[in-house]
Amino acid sequence: GAVVSQHPSRVICKSGTSVKIECRSLDFQATTMFWYRQFPKKSLMLMATSNEGSKATYEQGVEKDKFLINHASLTLSTLTVTSAHPEDSSFYICSAQSGGNTGELFFGEGSRLTVL
Amino acid sequence: AQSVTQPDIHITVSEGASLELRCNYSYGATPYLFWYVQSPGQGLQLLLKYFSGDTLVQGIKGFEAEFKRSQSSFNLRKPSVHWSDAAEYFCAVGFMNTGNQFYFGTGTSLTVIP
Repeated sequence: GAVVSQHPSRVICKSGTSVKIECRSLDFQATTMFWYRQFPKKSLMLMATSNEGSKATYEQGVEKDKFLINHASLTLSTLTVTSAHPEDSSFYICSAQSGGNTGELFFGEGSRLTVL
Repeated sequence: AQSVTQPDIHITVSEGASLELRCNYSYGATPYLFWYVQSPGQGLQLLLKYFSGDTLVQGIKGFEAEFKRSQSSFNLRKPSVHWSDAAEYFCAVGFMNTGNQFYFGTGTSLTVIP
């Protein structure tokens, strides 16, 4: 299947700093990518839908100024956690959709963010 | 309210026994349906999906799922569980025609006893 890569897989930062997580579709073009947040022993919460060349669509309750999403190309979307705080510590997962509206979603390996 | 429900938070089965993981959804229209598996600290892997047609779908690793419209269910089954099947399983629904919304159930943790 198609490959979606996230980087970094683990990041530790100090409170107040910003962290960028990259999501790349390695062998296909993805007009749409999704960002999820997963709390311990909880399901994945859809944060936002990232569309190439346009603004991301955020789910209710997700602060768009806190979680900046950029989808500058068909193979790259970035999530920047700005002014991170300990409560932002979580497992962030991206996914990319291949081929049209019924295309399969492929998920990245996830990025573990720890804010000290 | 719209939701995806996995009633069983945790299931324990013996190796070789059969398995059924439940998933129910509550949406106005029939969504696209998926089952994913997640190993600890890992991303998600697609087991199978249902878009239309035959309501019994076959997936990888010997899994299958049956879509029952009357029950709004999409239960995952496997005839004989292997120790390597121990993981977290997520049911998900997608609405590809409305902005590609994609939502997950709360997950079912599977423990396999040797």
